[in-house]
Amino acid sequence: GAGVSQSPSNKVTEKGKDVELRCDPISGHTALYWYRQSLGQGLEFLIYFQGNSAPDKSGLPSDRFSAERTGGSVSTLTIQRTQQEDSAVYLCASSAPGTGIIEQYFGPGTRLTVT
Amino acid sequence: SQQGEEDPQALSIQEGENATMNCSYKTSINNLQWYRQNSGRGLVHLILIRSNEREKHSGRLRVTLDTSKKSSSLLITASRAADTASYFCATSKAAGNKLTFGGGTRVLVKP
Repeated sequence: GAGVSQSPSNKVTEKGKDVELRCDPISGHTALYWYRQSLGQGLEFLIYFQGNSAPDKSGLPSDRFSAERTGGSVSTLTIQRTQQEDSAVYLCASSAPGTGIIEQYFGPGTRLTVT
Repeated sequence: SQQGEEDPQALSIQEGENATMNCSYKTSINNLQWYRQNSGRGLVHLILIRSNEREKHSGRLRVTLDTSKKSSSLLITASRAADTASYFCATSKAAGNKLTFGGGTRVLVKP
């Protein structure tokens, strides 16, 4: 079946603009995770959804970052007033812990460049 | 913040040799997962080992877990040029919870 998909694959934006990143999880996966990977910080957790609720938002670096998930499926990560330090690869993953699938399967990522 | 360290940071071997990398972590875990990443993009899931398991095998991969030492190792046997990638360990404190990643090991397999 189809894996996790993310769009866009690349995004270049000017400092101060807002961006939206999209994640389509594997069908039937109830859990969805956002991570980011940057040179200086490695792989960092951002937020986790179980269904449409987010029991763990502890990794969001500032209030400029927000995420939502609708219909227990697609998720959007929004970064407002982007800064250069937001440049990174944003990765989405999904799993189905309720069915015993606790492995997290990752999408190809969105490379965000803030100029 | 990262859960722990991976060792070595980089590894260069000849095709056919075995590659071993280690991962240490700091807190108790439910499970530990190993991933491979090519060219800085998506992570490919390799193997998961639960805290009550000591060893798992998958094809040419062997993973061990020592919860008393809070460490894990990944062995790739009979390496191939296609195994060239970065390898990450990641831990989870509860099933389905977030992953905390190590810094990764860059492996270069020379033909």
